[in-house]
Amino acid sequence: AQSVAQPEDQVNVAEGNPLTVKCTYSVSGNPYLFWYVQYPNRGLQFLLKYITGDNLVKGSYGFEAEFNKSQTSFHLKKPSALVSDSALYFCAVRDQGGSQGNLIFGKGTKLSVKP
Amino acid sequence: DTAVSQTPKYLVTQMGNDKSIKCEQNLGHDTMYWYKQDSKKFLKIMFSYNNKELIINETVPNRFSPKSPDKAHLNLHINSLELGDSAVYFCASSQATASSGANVLTFGAGSRLTVL
Repeated sequence: AQSVAQPEDQVNVAEGNPLTVKCTYSVSGNPYLFWYVQYPNRGLQFLLKYITGDNLVKGSYGFEAEFNKSQTSFHLKKPSALVSDSALYFCAVRDQGGSQGNLIFGKGTKLSVKP
Repeated sequence: DTAVSQTPKYLVTQMGNDKSIKCEQNLGHDTMYWYKQDSKKFLKIMFSYNNKELIINETVPNRFSPKSPDKAHLNLHINSLELGDSAVYFCASSQATASSGANVLTFGAGSRLTVL
């Protein structure tokens, strides 16, 4: 069975500092990995994904994530946080051998960026 | 605007009632989904549907049923509403391709259901 864990309920960062939101996963085969962001009272928006190839994936709004197969992790990073980055971030995984629709989400991490 | 749109945005109703949430996408996508987000923000797939296949999460009660009049619409019908059905329901869509597992989902803004 596939699963994804986001060990932190909340991450607090000062504006201008680097941020990391952690994600680890478990799949039987090779993973497709995703990060989505949810702003208050809004639907989820796609940030970036890993399919194959380069372990460092760059996405929207200056975010990037690093796929680490040995640690089964896909942490989200940004070199310099903005107050507007404050939102709920979801990591998601799908087994490459899995059927369409079985995208499993983590429980979400609330990112709070203070001025 | 190209988007996934859901109506209503808010729905307050009594236990035992039957209600529907509508979803429409104008992205030309082949596959649509319903997700449930509970009070702790945990997201869970309920259904995925294209014109060939309905995949039902086995944990979803049969009081919930998706109805798709055409490829651009996937409505959610809920019978005999219970208190535990209170949640935010998200519709989403994606384009089926050869590597469908990597497809990005486009989400609607959500429909907040409150059962009293």
